[in-house]
Amino acid sequence: DAGVTQSPTHLIKTRGQQVTLRCSPKSGHDTVSWYQQALGQGPQFIFQYYEEEERQRGNFPDRFSGHQFPNYSSELNVNALLLGDSALYLCASSLVAARPTGELFFGEGSRLTVL
Amino acid sequence: GDSVTQMEGPVTLSEEAFLTINCTYTATGYPSLFWYVQYPGEGLQLLLKATKADDKGSNKGFEATYRKETTSFHLEKGSVQVSDSAVYFCALEGSQGNLIFGKGTKLSVKP
Repeated sequence: DAGVTQSPTHLIKTRGQQVTLRCSPKSGHDTVSWYQQALGQGPQFIFQYYEEEERQRGNFPDRFSGHQFPNYSSELNVNALLLGDSALYLCASSLVAARPTGELFFGEGSRLTVL
Repeated sequence: GDSVTQMEGPVTLSEEAFLTINCTYTATGYPSLFWYVQYPGEGLQLLLKATKADDKGSNKGFEATYRKETTSFHLEKGSVQVSDSAVYFCALEGSQGNLIFGKGTKLSVKP
């Protein structure tokens, strides 16, 4: 049973560029959440997708956007990259019907470096 | 707003030592509480959870008790092993259904 898979694992961009990160949820899961983990910090919630719609959003600017596809996979897009966007981006999947919400399954992350 | 504070690391222990990692939280109501672990080169994994006051979560020899009177959820293990070396994150379920994490505590266990 494949867990949460993310791609790419590492990437380097320059300021002002745009980036797309991809996530495939654990088999059977229908909800995908994205988190940003800066170096030495805990993950911070970006947004959550369910039924192809953004359901919840954390305190992140509109430069951060996402998408969920009918097969439940998801993309995170970041426009106009800033140096401060350098971080590990984590995707987590869950089953909306499962409670408590905190039982998330995380991927290994995509490490983004902005130069 | 809701927040989690956990003890700063790194924590270095010898094998078979007793481990405590302190975690306190600020929240409205009584959210579910969690400990997640991040082993080197791996994704975050749920270690244990507690959904209401006085609940004790336990897994792999680790325990944590949900204390509403002290708003705490300290992680303990009686005898750590080298394989327990990892970063440990305390978290609570936020009002949006997301997780709010502490900054993490790095544990290194020496043989």
